[in-house]
Amino acid sequence: DVVMTQSPLSLPVTLGQPASISCRSSQSLVYSDGNTYLNWFQQRPGQSPRRLIYKVSNRDSGVPDRFSGSGSGTDFTLKINRVEAEDVGVYFCMQGTHWPYTFGQGTKLEIK
Amino acid sequence: QVQFVQSGAEVKKPGASVKVSCKASGYTFTSYAVHWVRQAPGQRLEWMGWINAGNGDTKYSQRFQGRVTITRDTSASTAYMELSSLTSEDTAVYYCTRTAAAAGVNNWGQGTLVTISS
Repeated sequence: DVVMTQSPLSLPVTLGQPASISCRSSQSLVYSDGNTYLNWFQQRPGQSPRRLIYKVSNRDSGVPDRFSGSGSGTDFTLKINRVEAEDVGVYFCMQGTHWPYTFGQGTKLEIK
Repeated sequence: QVQFVQSGAEVKKPGASVKVSCKASGYTFTSYAVHWVRQAPGQRLEWMGWINAGNGDTKYSQRFQGRVTITRDTSASTAYMELSSLTSEDTAVYYCTRTAAAAGVNNWGQGTLVTISS
């Protein structure tokens, strides 16, 4: 299975400051159709996961533009421009290129 | 709006089976696959498998092959996930989800807690 490795695992951030999460995959996530199926999810306490970003850099409907995704091949990044209180939770990267789809171990974002 | 409502929490004994349901609404049920993902305490989210709600084709993770069965009832717009030979390691929250690489096509049920305890 493809192993997804995130860093850091814990991310204390001051309100209004930027935040960045890295995700690396154990093999390339470029699919045979040329797309890279790397997604980012947010899971707030007590809630189901919510996808923020699909195919590396595409924001889902209703996702604030302070969230952005970038990367290629095996290295990917989620950035939050200015962290707000509602951003507290755990963030996961997830690959949908190779079966079975796999998740990173999660990065817990908290407010300093 | 698209919604998934899952069945309630379950407590099962080791060796038993559990069947979780997921009722979909707000879209044409047969147009998308329904996937099942679980989240065990302290573990990564795990993708278990999916069913093509249109033709009933299924695909399972090798990790669960032989123990998991995903089915659907198109007349009820409901998908089911049955897991057998349960052990304590199967204690987890089980989610159903609809997902595709398009904006807004990613919807999750509220989760069903399955606890395995003797």
